[in-house]
Amino acid sequence: DTAVSQTPKYLVTQMGNDKSIKCEQNLGHDTMYWYKQDSKKFLKIMFSYNNKELIINETVPNRFSPKSPDKAHLNLHINSLELGDSAVYFCASSHPDPLSFGQGTRLTVV
Amino acid sequence: QKEVEQDPGPLSVPEGAIVSLNCTYSNSAFQYFMWYRQYSRKGPELLMYTYSSGNKEDGRFTAQVDKSSKYISLFIRDSQPSDSATYLCAIGTGSARQLTFGSGTQLTVLP
Repeated sequence: DTAVSQTPKYLVTQMGNDKSIKCEQNLGHDTMYWYKQDSKKFLKIMFSYNNKELIINETVPNRFSPKSPDKAHLNLHINSLELGDSAVYFCASSHPDPLSFGQGTRLTVV
Repeated sequence: QKEVEQDPGPLSVPEGAIVSLNCTYSNSAFQYFMWYRQYSRKGPELLMYTYSSGNKEDGRFTAQVDKSSKYISLFIRDSQPSDSATYLCAIGTGSARQLTFGSGTQLTVLP
């Protein structure tokens, strides 16, 4: 009974493709996030939604577009994938503290 | 200078050792301090969080915050091989929405 679940867990794709990552939380939290973790384990926030409203939008290429259809779901769509997009992407949620993370989506762009 | 600096490690200790993991921060407005543990190929999981200076204990884990020195530590007593993971400090100004993470310290506890 996973609290924050992401799909897919692994994603291997070619440069230039468009891909989506889905996230769902069953914790009843109001706020959801996307974080990016690079190869050196550095976690950096990308976006945050509170009750479907975008509240944090860090300096991220506009090829990345989050969408929150309801407060339990937050998806991330990435256009025109580049090699530098390879990383682990984590979804998280909070109400308002602390953060609960999903298991991550390991994206590899080849 | 990064807002949050964490000793990078890696750190390798024998089973039973006391482990000290440390972070420093630059913003005196930070008042929310957390430690996450991340096993290989898993998401970070919350270990401890505190809002105040001083010590907070939970079993074998003690979180220590020194706001005057802008320094936080996580101590692990009687370390076990199952403690082998990457430990991330996370510090913020008011809530989970405003957290800044350290770069993580990889710990290996050898049996």
